[in-house]
Order: sequence, then structure tokens, then C-alpha cells
Amino acid sequence: NAGVMQNPRHLVRRRGQEARLRCSPMKGHSHVYWYRQLPEEGLKFMVYLQKENIIDESGMPKERFSAEFPKEGPSILRIQQVVRGDSAAYFCASSPSPGQAGEQYFGPGTRLTVT
Amino acid sequence: GDSVTQMEGPVTLSEEAFLTINCTYTATGYPSLFWYVQYPGEGLQLLLKATKADDKGSNKGFEATYRKETTSFHLEKGSVQVSDSAVYLCALSPSNTGKLIFGQGTTLQVKP
Repeated sequence: NAGVMQNPRHLVRRRGQEARLRCSPMKGHSHVYWYRQLPEEGLKFMVYLQKENIIDESGMPKERFSAEFPKEGPSILRIQQVVRGDSAAYFCASSPSPGQAGEQYFGPGTRLTVT
Repeated sequence: GDSVTQMEGPVTLSEEAFLTINCTYTATGYPSLFWYVQYPGEGLQLLLKATKADDKGSNKGFEATYRKETTSFHLEKGSVQVSDSAVYLCALSPSNTGKLIFGQGTTLQVKP
């Protein structure tokens, strides 16, 4: 059973460009979570999605960031008009079910560098 | 709001030394508690978990006990190895939500 897959692993964008980060959850998992790890900071929750639904986006910046998890295909985290402060590692996790006992399985992350 | 506080690192130990990494939390309700480990350049791996008070999670020689009275979930290992060098993150999952709230992470360096 393949683990959570993220691509690309490294992404370089110039200021003002768009960044698209992809996450394929583990087989059988219908819950996806995105986290951001800024330099010298801890991991911060961004958004929680189920297939075709955003469940909790309380950690997502209100502007320029969006996420989706379509019925078919990977989950996408999209950052429009990137700025230097968006440079970070973005991790995706998946779980078969939510709730307090749920375990999340993390992907290797996408390291975004904005130049 | 809910939060997790970990001891600051880095923690540097010699091989076979005893390890303790402190973790305390603030939460309403009855969260589940987790320790994750992050090796350089990799994603997080679940190390252990506890879902209710007085539960002890254990894995690979590491253990942590969910202490509701002190709101703590300290990570311990009796004898560390060089291969244990990594970043350790304490996390909680609030009641009836899917998200994880992480502490800052503690870097452990084990020297031979």
C-alpha cells in the first residue's frame, strides 16, 4: 500500500507566480489535511478536506490560498501570486476517518521556494 | 485556544543516555495526544499515541503517558541511539475534529 504522495518535492516560483501542490492520499483514505512548516516555526494546520468538501479551513490565509479535493484525482493546494513569505514546507496528510482517535499519515512534503 | 508547548532544543545526548522531552498542552474536552518524529528531509511519522487519560503509548523503546492532572505527555526513552537523532513533535487532536495542533518540535542529537 503506497503511502501519501506529494509532488513536486521541490518547487521554485518567482514572486507573483502561481504554485500548485498536489497530494495523493493513501488508498482508501478519504480525508486530507494540509499543514505548513515555516522556517524556524512549528507545523501549522491549514485546511481539512473530504472528497469534494472543505470541512475546516480555519488555518488557511484568507487571500491567495485555496484547496480542493475532487471526486477523482489528487488534492490540490493552490497559492496565487506567491510572495517570499510563502516559502515553506507544505505537508499533506491523510486518514481513513476523522475524529480524535484518527491517525494521520504524512507525505514527504513539498518545499516551496519563492525567489 | 488549544495549544501544545514543548521544551526547547536542541537536546544533545550521548548514545545510551536517558531521554526525556517535555510536552504540555492546553485543551478543552478530551483530546488525543501524539508524538511524531521527523527525520531530515522527510515527512512526519507517527511514533506513538494515547487517546485517554492514563493511557501509555509506546513504540520502538519510546513511551509517553497521558497525564490529565498535569496536562502533560512527556516522551521518554531509556537508552537512545545515534539513529534516534531527529525532530520530535508533540501534537494533540481536539475532541471531534480532524486537525492536529503541533508543538514547536524538539531537535534531538545523539552523539556516539
